[in-house]
Amino acid sequence: DAGITQSPRHKVTETGTPVTLRCHQTENHRYMYWYRQDPGHGLRLIHYSYGVKDTDKGEVSDGYSVSRSKTEDFLLTLESATSSQTSVYFCAISEPYLGTSGRGDEQFFGPGTRLTVL
Amino acid sequence: AQTVTQSQPEMSVQEAETVTLSCTYDTSENNYYLFWYKQPPSRQMILVIRQEAYKQQNATENRFSVNFQKAAKSFSLKISDSQLGDTAMYFCAFMGWQGAQKLVFGQGTRLTINP
Repeated sequence: DAGITQSPRHKVTETGTPVTLRCHQTENHRYMYWYRQDPGHGLRLIHYSYGVKDTDKGEVSDGYSVSRSKTEDFLLTLESATSSQTSVYFCAISEPYLGTSGRGDEQFFGPGTRLTVL
Repeated sequence: AQTVTQSQPEMSVQEAETVTLSCTYDTSENNYYLFWYKQPPSRQMILVIRQEAYKQQNATENRFSVNFQKAAKSFSLKISDSQLGDTAMYFCAFMGWQGAQKLVFGQGTRLTINP
């Protein structure tokens, strides 16, 4: 299994409070992603990073910010949590550049964080 | 923008039967990847099978195979000799050939294998 951990694994918070989720990898992969999973929607991309301090928005980025100060860590912040952000959050990593092995195409997922905003 | 559609929210079959999960997608790109992911009750996302769009041959991984119809933009998953451990949510996903390798997922199909 790819070395990806997420913390916390479960969190309950109240509307209006700030929340930070952490994704940590030990694979030295260049790309990192944050997705949210909701019933009827599958997984949707929130933000992604293509290198240290290089990030971009995904499909559902409103209300979220991210930071990546080190290759191994990718933080997702909800500045002021709302009930609509109750979801399961997944981090994923990938490395497209495999040298002579060709181009990597697989994303490896963390175990997920269940966030409940009351 | 790419979209992925799974039209079967739930399916149920008996153990040892064969089941096919449907997936259609929309893209203007010529080269791309398609994936099926499995999510058991543990919530872990597990890659089942992948298909590169430039390959005409359908991918196979043990009991899992795909029927990739590029012109029809269809990518179905066939599970042969289904087992109780195949019970899970299954997601179809699209990835473009260039750029940031972002995945676009379908809504998912909940598959139950009955003993």
